[in-house]
Amino acid sequence: RKEVEQDPGPFNVPEGATVAFNCTYSNSASQSFFWYRQDCRKEPKLLMSVYSSGNEDGRFTAQLNRASQYISLLIRDSKLSDSATYLCVVNSGGYQKVTFGTGTKLQVIP
Amino acid sequence: DAGVTQSPTHLIKTRGQQVTLRCSPKSGHDTVSWYQQALGQGPQFIFQYYEEEERQRGNFPDRFSGHQFPNYSSELNVNALLLGDSALYLCASISDRVGYGYTFGSGTRLTVV
Repeated sequence: RKEVEQDPGPFNVPEGATVAFNCTYSNSASQSFFWYRQDCRKEPKLLMSVYSSGNEDGRFTAQLNRASQYISLLIRDSKLSDSATYLCVVNSGGYQKVTFGTGTKLQVIP
Repeated sequence: DAGVTQSPTHLIKTRGQQVTLRCSPKSGHDTVSWYQQALGQGPQFIFQYYEEEERQRGNFPDRFSGHQFPNYSSELNVNALLLGDSALYLCASISDRVGYGYTFGSGTRLTVV
């Protein structure tokens, strides 16, 4: 089983729609979790951290379910500019080493 | 405040050659990690440098080696290049004390022909 797994998509959604991605992780001792956004042929950029209590940043909501070992990202009122690949990132040990999922591609359609 | 800078941005090499990629971390960051990202894949961890030593290593052969300098900048060296080494190589830095989210450079796109 991969350390971090994501549905690669693509998710094709119309503008204004709500879309959610899940990401599962295998190491129950994982300590911190992040969502990164990567545009085509660009570097990943931190979108948001994921806190145990769940957290929201504008149209984006991230949640963590430790019992089932997954994190989620919800995007409300999708914009064309949200089109990108969303990478799930898990810190499974010390020394700030993080493991990336393969990413979920989102395409928002006019 | 400069972020993470990588050089060169693009590189074409021939099979069997050697390559050196360079990275300057974000100001205030002391830890540098290198990742390889093949097309359509997530970044794969190569290794991490802290205090001029390799602190962790992913599942990459010894052909991949690195170095960190006293100013925290880092190099990634790949020997005996294979076609399969063609990828985007990302450098990411973080402060070991803060440990909150990596900052990535824009990467070096290596093509091996």
